[in-house]
Amino acid sequence: DAKTTQPPSMDCAEGRAANLPCNHSTISGNEYVYWYRQIHSQGPQYIIHGLKNNETNEMASLIITEDRKSSTLILPHATLRDTAVYYCIVSLTNQGGKLIFGQGTELSVKP
Amino acid sequence: GAVVSQHPSRVICKSGTSVKIECRSLDFQATTMFWYRQFPKQSLMLMATSNEGSKATYEQGVEKDKFLINHASLTLSTLTVTSAHPEDSSFYICSARDGPGEKYFGPGTRLLVL
Repeated sequence: DAKTTQPPSMDCAEGRAANLPCNHSTISGNEYVYWYRQIHSQGPQYIIHGLKNNETNEMASLIITEDRKSSTLILPHATLRDTAVYYCIVSLTNQGGKLIFGQGTELSVKP
Repeated sequence: GAVVSQHPSRVICKSGTSVKIECRSLDFQATTMFWYRQFPKQSLMLMATSNEGSKATYEQGVEKDKFLINHASLTLSTLTVTSAHPEDSSFYICSARDGPGEKYFGPGTRLLVL
């Protein structure tokens, strides 16, 4: 079973920041938090991952709480092309860790 | 960035026939590849972990004799759906690791069994 909980759907206005929450209260100390997204009928696309510290790349920012029981993915300026299902996954890395997908959050970016 | 390809992208076959799907890592070597299945409006379900040079590890409830996996080289894994039936119609997706870190997904193969 997936170890994360996400809201099933969210809306965001184009140009505004999209903040996608994820709960992972049973995460263990050596598990990373990964975020992927899947646009309809395509393979998932890697977005970002982190262990403890906040992370930022050209796509998004990842904010992980100090107790690591939850995280937030931030798309700073959402566009219509960001409409997708976003998956938050916890997994072991460096050990061939499997990715177990939950139901994800369906983000709809509206003009 | 790393790229993973799948072939074919779409396939239609008759019930009872076998279908082979290829997954290739194009610019990196992947000792481990993963196979997923996704039904409409559902999430991805991990089917098996494919290890180069050894037997695949199947998730609980996935029939290993039904879904044959071969990972003969560091850049190629194949999934063969044997004696396919309409209930096997699905979106099959592979992923490959680029060393430690993120995993890259293929574009998926849509299988329709008539």
